[in-house]
Amino acid sequence: DVKVTQSSRYLVKRTGEKVFLECVQDMDHENMFWYRQDPGLGLRLIYFSYDVKMKEKGDIPEGYSVSREKKERFSLILESASTNQTSMYLCASGAGDPYEQYFGPGTRLTVT
Amino acid sequence: DQQVKQNSPSLSVQEGRISILNCDYTNSMFDYFLWYKKYPAEGPTFLISISSIKDKNEDGRFTVFLNKSAKHLSLHIVPSQPGDSAVYFCAASRQGAQKLVFGQGTRLTINP
Repeated sequence: DVKVTQSSRYLVKRTGEKVFLECVQDMDHENMFWYRQDPGLGLRLIYFSYDVKMKEKGDIPEGYSVSREKKERFSLILESASTNQTSMYLCASGAGDPYEQYFGPGTRLTVT
Repeated sequence: DQQVKQNSPSLSVQEGRISILNCDYTNSMFDYFLWYKKYPAEGPTFLISISSIKDKNEDGRFTVFLNKSAKHLSLHIVPSQPGDSAVYFCAASRQGAQKLVFGQGTRLTINP
C-alpha cells in the first residue's frame, strides 16, 4: 500500500518566517509533487521533481523553492512566508505511468 | 489559463439516484484523464481513469465517459451513497508531461 506522509498536519507561522514542509514516500516513485489547494481554484502545482536533485517549476512557483536530496523525500520551502501563502499544501508521488499520483494527507498552513 | 474546468462548484443528489459530475478541457494534447475524490482533512485519492483511445471506462458504481470532440468528460455514480459525499477533482495529462492538470473541484453532497 502506497504511503505518502507529510511532516505536519497543521502549522501556524508568522509573516517573514522560513517554513519547511517535508514529504516522504515509501514506494520508490521517481516523481514527486507539491500542490496547494485553495477554494475555487482546485489543486495548483507548485513544483515537481522527476529525479533526485532535479526539479521543475509548476504553475505557481513564485515564493517557493524545493529540495530533493533523496529519492523518497521532497521538501517545500517558503523562504519568507506571507499571508497569501496560507493554504492547504499537498504532496504527491507517482511512477509516471500511467500518471496516477498518490497524495499525502496535507498540511494546513496558516501565516499570520 | 484554466486548461481543465469543472464549472459546477457543488452538486446535491438524493441517495440512490445518479450523480453526474462534469469536466471540460481545452488542450487537445491531453491523452489521459483521471478523477480523484477528496474528503475533508485527507489527501485526494484516485478513483477512476480513462485513456483517450476509449470513450468509456467502468468500475463498479463509477463510470467515466469521454467525448473527445467536445473535449468533455463526465463521471457517473450509480447509485449514489452517503459515503460518496466529497469533493471530486478531474485531472488531465499528456504523454511525457509527467504531471497532472487539475480542475477546480466539485463538492458532491448525497442527501439521505
